[in-house]
Amino acid sequence: AQRVTQPEKLLSVFKGAPVELKCNYSYSGSPELFWYVQYSRQRLQLLLRHISRESIKGFTADLNKGETSFHLKKPFAQEEDSAMYYCALSGRGNTPLVFGKGTRLSVIA
Amino acid sequence: NAGVTQTPKFRVLKTGQSMTLLCAQDMNHEYMYWYRQDPGMGLRLIHYSVGEGTTAKGEVPDGYNVSRLKKQNFLLGLESAAPSQTSVYFCASSYSRLAGYYNEQFFGPGTRLTVL
Repeated sequence: AQRVTQPEKLLSVFKGAPVELKCNYSYSGSPELFWYVQYSRQRLQLLLRHISRESIKGFTADLNKGETSFHLKKPFAQEEDSAMYYCALSGRGNTPLVFGKGTRLSVIA
Repeated sequence: NAGVTQTPKFRVLKTGQSMTLLCAQDMNHEYMYWYRQDPGMGLRLIHYSVGEGTTAKGEVPDGYNVSRLKKQNFLLGLESAAPSQTSVYFCASSYSRLAGYYNEQFFGPGTRLTVL
């Protein structure tokens, strides 16, 4: 079964502090993993995907198959990073994305 | 391009009333999805469609029906609304992976539904 776990419902950090949003997954094959972000009263939008190995808005995420994790990191948090973050997994074939329950990031000035 | 649009943006229903939520996309996507978003529960898949004329159940399909008569539209119906269906509903769409695209989903702005 495919499952995504985001252990923190809420994460509060001070501006300029490092951020790490945790994501663990359960999947027997080679998954595609994504981070989606939802700013206040806006639609969900893709932040980054593991296969692109890119940095978006200073965020990076590395797929660790040994630990089945895909944690989202940023070295210096900004107030505009405050949002809801969802980790999502896509398995083989055309199965829908499976989302975690989300972590609300609050960056305190 | 408008992307994914949803109608209406807000709606208040009384218990037992029915309504239809409309999702439209102009990206020629094969796949479309309906989610509900509730505090502490994240996004839960209600129903989805892998192409015109096809639908499939997701994680929480009870109390909802869907139809995909046209490729660009995906309708979500509530036949007899219940307070437990108070939620924010998001529609999404994506390319078919068979076309060589990654499974990125594009979301609509959401519909906030309250059932009294």
